[in-house]
Amino acid sequence: DTGVSQNPRHKITKRGQNVTFRCDPISEHNRLYWYRQTLGQGPEFLTYFQNEAQLEKSRLLSDRFSAERPKGSFSTLEIQRTEQGDSAMYLCASSLGGRAGSYNEQFFGPGTRLTVL
Amino acid sequence: GNSVTQMEGPVTLSEEAFLTINCTYTATGYPSLFWYVQYPGEGLQLLLKATKADDKGSNKGFEATYRKETTSFHLEKGSVQVSDSAVYFCALSSQGGSEKLVFGKGTKLTVNP
Repeated sequence: DTGVSQNPRHKITKRGQNVTFRCDPISEHNRLYWYRQTLGQGPEFLTYFQNEAQLEKSRLLSDRFSAERPKGSFSTLEIQRTEQGDSAMYLCASSLGGRAGSYNEQFFGPGTRLTVL
Repeated sequence: GNSVTQMEGPVTLSEEAFLTINCTYTATGYPSLFWYVQYPGEGLQLLLKATKADDKGSNKGFEATYRKETTSFHLEKGSVQVSDSAVYFCALSSQGGSEKLVFGKGTKLTVNP
């Protein structure tokens, strides 16, 4: 399967615990995005990487959130000291970005559903 | 900032009925516009796109036209099928830069046989 994969698919944790999610993009894609989707809402942008550089972060990304893409391939999103308000679906997308004059389609993974008790 | 407003759901139709889901946007410059679809238990998939004014995106019998004068990108299908039951999201992306997507809240469509 050459699509975007995310692990785990589901995570249940207790308030105050740390969690880490992983995203494996399509192999030749240089851009990687994280979005968060809460029930009944559309996805909201969190952050994006071009290769290993994190170039933009949303104000939704509080200090408890950190994302990395150390070798420009897979990415991790860590949430420290989870709160019930962090319960959501976390989506990863990748694209072959930076090509002027053309739209660089984002391909989405299946998401990781986080439940904070 | 950029934003997308789409028709509230849920929408319930009978098979072969005509579908319209309204979408309007607010953006600076000339964004690209998209419809994404999320089938039950699956990830988001790009359904169609339009990158400039008056472009018509089409796929699987769905169509949407980029109307700059009304800042709209309404989704239409002439005859829906049960298999079209899903959640539909309108989205925009500013060209250049991060190309991050800004989504509407989604419209759940149920098509009954």
